Parts: sequence; C-alpha cells; structure tokens
Amino acid sequence: EVQLLESGGGLVQPGGSLRLSCAASGFIFSTYAMSWVRQAPGKGLEWVSTISGSGASTYYADSVKGRFTISRDNSKNTLYLQMNSLRAADTAVYYCAKYSLGVTTFFDYWGQGTLVTVSS
Amino acid sequence: QSALTQPRSVSGSPGQSVTISCTGTSSDVGGYNYVSWYQQHPGKAPKLMIYDVSKRPSGVPDRFSGSKSVNTASLTISGLQAEDEADYYCCSYAGSYTLVFGGGTKLTVL
Repeated sequence: EVQLLESGGGLVQPGGSLRLSCAASGFIFSTYAMSWVRQAPGKGLEWVSTISGSGASTYYADSVKGRFTISRDNSKNTLYLQMNSLRAADTAVYYCAKYSLGVTTFFDYWGQGTLVTVSS
Repeated sequence: QSALTQPRSVSGSPGQSVTISCTGTSSDVGGYNYVSWYQQHPGKAPKLMIYDVSKRPSGVPDRFSGSKSVNTASLTISGLQAEDEADYYCCSYAGSYTLVFGGGTKLTVL
C-alpha cells in the first residue's frame, strides 16, 4: 500500500526557514517523480515543485523560485522541501504527491499534508 | 501560471447529472491532453478521479467521466450520490514540467 507521510510543518516568522519531509513507502521510491502541492486556508490547490526520480531535475512555480528547494534521498525513501525567506502568502497545507509511473502530468497518490503558518 | 477557471459551486439532486467546467488557454488545457480531476472532501487529501482528460483510475465509478473541447475541460458526474459532495479541482499540464490547477468547485448534493 502506498503511503506518504509529511512532517516538519509549524509556525515560523516571516523571513524564516522551514524544512518539510515526506516519508514514502509501498512503492519503489526512486522510480517515481514527486511533487509538493500546497493549499492556502480556504483556497485552491497550487503546484509548488517537482523532482525527477533520480533527483537530477527539479522544477518550481514562479511564486517560490529562488526561495524553495526540492530534494530527495532515495536511500531513505524521503522527499524534502527546504523553504527559505518565508512570507505570509506561503501559509498553507503542504501536500507531498506521487506521480504515476513515467509521467509528470498527474498524481495518483497524495499524503495527508502538513500545515505551515507564516506569522509574526 | 494563471489558475484555470472553474465555477465556484454547482449543485444537483441525487440521481441527477452535473458538469463542472475548467477553462484554460492554448498553453495549458488546449495545448495538451493532460487534464486531470481531483476530488477533495473536507480535511482530506485530494483523490484522483480522472487523468489524461477522460481516463478513469481503477476503483473510480464509471459515473465519473471527463472530456475536453479546445480550451475547456469538463467533468461530468452522473447518478449523483450523497458521497459525491466534495470540492473538485481540475489540473492541466502547462509545459516545461509545470502544472496549473483550477480554483476548485464545491459540489452540493441537494
């Protein structure tokens, strides 16, 4: 059974940093591209970043480019999101999402999310 | 990377059909056959309902169907059931390994 378990969310001041983790199980982690998707309170979904299965390629939404870094440790089956220079607008539930095999066009599994609150 | 346009809300009675539209541009919806739809119940993670415009994952009832015409994709739910009440989001590939979501549609089953 595929499981994605996010952690690392919490309250952080504007300008601060936070690192999110997503522990994956139930599939061959290194074979699949992964993403982070966020959802601000009461708002819609927003794609944040994608990383290839090997970790060699990464892609970002314009809203986070230069501030967030996606990475993965395939030996630990874990996905990360390093978030720097955080702003109030980054407040959201952050979901870890798995792409279907061989594609980067839709997600077949999502984690339960971790809440990040940026506030002074 | 502008969000796709969805109606804020739709409603229908049990047994009826509803259609949710998702309008984009030639750079996303109209440019690729990579539209997906997700169902999200309150406080829960999104669930894949349709991918590649009209394909259904295993386990999703055939009451759910998808289509696309030019820059607008649609999700149709027939034979509405109480458990279909949820938020629905469309998503399109937008090139260069980026994705764009719609703003979401709240489905109410009357």
